[in-house]
Amino acid sequence: DTEVTQTPKHLVMGMTNKKSLKCEQHMGHRAMYWYKQKAKKPPELMFVYSYEKLSINESVPSRFSPECPNSSLLNLHLHALQPEDSALYLCASSPPGPTASQYFGPGTRLLVL
Amino acid sequence: AQSVTQLDSQVPVFEEAPVELRCNYSSSVSVYLFWYVQYPNQGLQLLLKYLSGSTLVKGINGFEAEFNKSQTSFHLRKPSVHISDTAEYFCAVTVDYKLSFGAGTTVTVRA
Repeated sequence: DTEVTQTPKHLVMGMTNKKSLKCEQHMGHRAMYWYKQKAKKPPELMFVYSYEKLSINESVPSRFSPECPNSSLLNLHLHALQPEDSALYLCASSPPGPTASQYFGPGTRLLVL
Repeated sequence: AQSVTQLDSQVPVFEEAPVELRCNYSSSVSVYLFWYVQYPNQGLQLLLKYLSGSTLVKGINGFEAEFNKSQTSFHLRKPSVHISDTAEYFCAVTVDYKLSFGAGTTVTVRA
C-alpha cells in the first residue's frame, strides 16, 4: 500500500467552527508532514512529525493544532480560522532521512467563510 | 539556505513534441533534488530524484532529468508529451526533512 489518504476531500467552515483534517498512511513511514497550498502556488510546509513527535513547526498560527496519535495517523485541528486560511491542505509521509521521497495525499480543500 | 528557481512559469507545448522544464538550484553543499508533478485537483506525485551518482536520472512516465553541477541545474525533459501530461511541475530541494519547492511550471499540452 503506497497510498496516503486524507479526509474529508472538501470542507466548508465558519470562522467560529472547530473541525479536524485526518491523514493516514500504512507504509510504515515514521515522518509525516502538513503542507498548505494556495492556488497557483507551491506547497508551504507547516509541520513535521518524526517518530510521532513534533519536530518542525514553521511558525504556524495556534489556530492550527497538529496531532499524531500513532505512527499511521496525523490530524490537523482547526479552530477560529480566517478566510485567508482557505487553501488545499496536503499531508505527506516519508521514511526517515534527508534523502527520502515524500508521498503526498490528495489533499483537503478548505473554504473558510 | 538552499533553494530552487524554476525559470519558466508556463510552457505550452503540442502533443508529441518534446518539452524541457528548467530548474536551477543554489547550494554550496550536497544537494538532493526532486521533481514532482501535480495533476489538476490532485496531490503531488514524485517523478524522479537525484541523490548522487549518475547525473542522468530516469523517472516515471518517460521523464528524465540531468543534474549539472557546473551550471547548478536540474532540468526535466520528456521527448514526446501527451495530453495527459498537462499539469503543474515543481522542482524541489531538500535539507533534512524540509522540502523547498520552486514556484512551479504549468505545462499545457495541446492537440
